[in-house]
Amino acid sequence: QVQLQESGPGLVKPSQTLSLTCTVSGVSIISGDDYWTWIRQHPGKGLEWIGYIYYSGRTNYNPSLKSRITISVDTSKNQFSLKLSSVTAADTAVYYCARGHYPRDWGQGTLVTVSS
Amino acid sequence: EIVLTQSPGTLSLSPGERATLSCRASQSVSINYLAWYQQNPGQAPRLLIYGASSRATGIPDRFSGSVSGTDFTLTISRLEPEDFAVYYCQQYAYSPYTFGQGTKLEIK
Repeated sequence: QVQLQESGPGLVKPSQTLSLTCTVSGVSIISGDDYWTWIRQHPGKGLEWIGYIYYSGRTNYNPSLKSRITISVDTSKNQFSLKLSSVTAADTAVYYCARGHYPRDWGQGTLVTVSS
Repeated sequence: EIVLTQSPGTLSLSPGERATLSCRASQSVSINYLAWYQQNPGQAPRLLIYGASSRATGIPDRFSGSVSGTDFTLTISRLEPEDFAVYYCQQYAYSPYTFGQGTKLEIK
């Protein structure tokens, strides 16, 4: 059974960098043809695709966030990570890690609040 | 970017009734790369349909997807109590992948 689990600070100060890690279990991050994805959901709102990474390191980012995003992968730990710089209150959201372009496997989500 | 417009915003129906949810794309979605998700409060989305009409593993056959041009439809043939939730469509044909704004299916 594939499981994904987000981890990271739940509170980030404005202008700082949000950092989250997704730990994958039940499947190797380098197996198959999977793309490892980050999606966020602002409180009470819809879903926003952030970007994905392939185990080789190839990435694809949402242009609306591209200048602030870095998604990386650590194959030795079976993890992938998200960094979002220069955060503002508008980045307060539940952040999900997921597997695939149309994910069938999702983490439970983690709420990140941007506040001083 | 492709804009997906879902309608209606809210759909009020009773258990046993048929639900029809719409998702219209602002331009053609290549090879029908469109998915549907169900989301309950406090939970991650659940994949229902991919490729416009293929059911994901474990999804009951009362859920079906169809497409006509740039209009995509999710149909729930006979509503069960657990089907009342928010539904999102997503296109994964062109980057940036985008989601519709959601349709809330509520009990009448």
